[in-house]
Amino acid sequence: AQSVAQPEDQVNVAEGNPLTVKCTYSVSGNPYLFWYVQYPNRGLQFLLKYITGDNLVKGSYGFEAEFNKSQTSFHLKKPSALVSDSALYFCAVRDLYGGSQGNLIFGKGTKLSVKP
Amino acid sequence: DTEVTQTPKHLVMGMTNKKSLKCEQHMGHRAMYWYKQKAKKPPELMFVYSYEKLSINESVPSRFSPECPNSSLLNLHLHALQPEDSALYLCASSQDWGPNEKLFFGSGTQLSVL
Repeated sequence: AQSVAQPEDQVNVAEGNPLTVKCTYSVSGNPYLFWYVQYPNRGLQFLLKYITGDNLVKGSYGFEAEFNKSQTSFHLKKPSALVSDSALYFCAVRDLYGGSQGNLIFGKGTKLSVKP
Repeated sequence: DTEVTQTPKHLVMGMTNKKSLKCEQHMGHRAMYWYKQKAKKPPELMFVYSYEKLSINESVPSRFSPECPNSSLLNLHLHALQPEDSALYLCASSQDWGPNEKLFFGSGTQLSVL
């Protein structure tokens, strides 16, 4: 079965410092990977996706993610964190082979807290 | 217009009530979704409509009944819910039903069942 793991419940970063939110995946075949962000009392917003091609994917709000096939990882990164980046971040993978083909399987989420 | 609009934003209902959640998008998207999200948990898929036809039902209890009247609207009819059904219900849409499609989410309906 397809799955993603986010090993950190919370990541704390000082404003202006680089941030990394970790995600590892387990899939059969080629992965379709996504990052979404959820601000308090809001729905999820798409940040970026990896389907194929360049391993470094650039997305919204200055975020990027690096696909690493050998380490089965898709970590989300930003060179300089903002207080407004504080939110809940979800990594997700498309389930192409399970019972709900095409369903997005979400990780448990990582709360990012950026302090001034 | 790149929004998915959900109404109401908040809903409190008793276990014997009947209520409906509504979702609307005008992006021309042909796939629409209902997700359930408990506090501090990831969203869980409930239903998927593709081209106005129900494509996926994730073994959701019959007290939840989805409806897709047209390509822009998605409803979720609620009847005889249980307190454990209290959650944030998210609607989403995508251009099409495919593995590389990104989802656009509404802000959700926060449902409390008393």
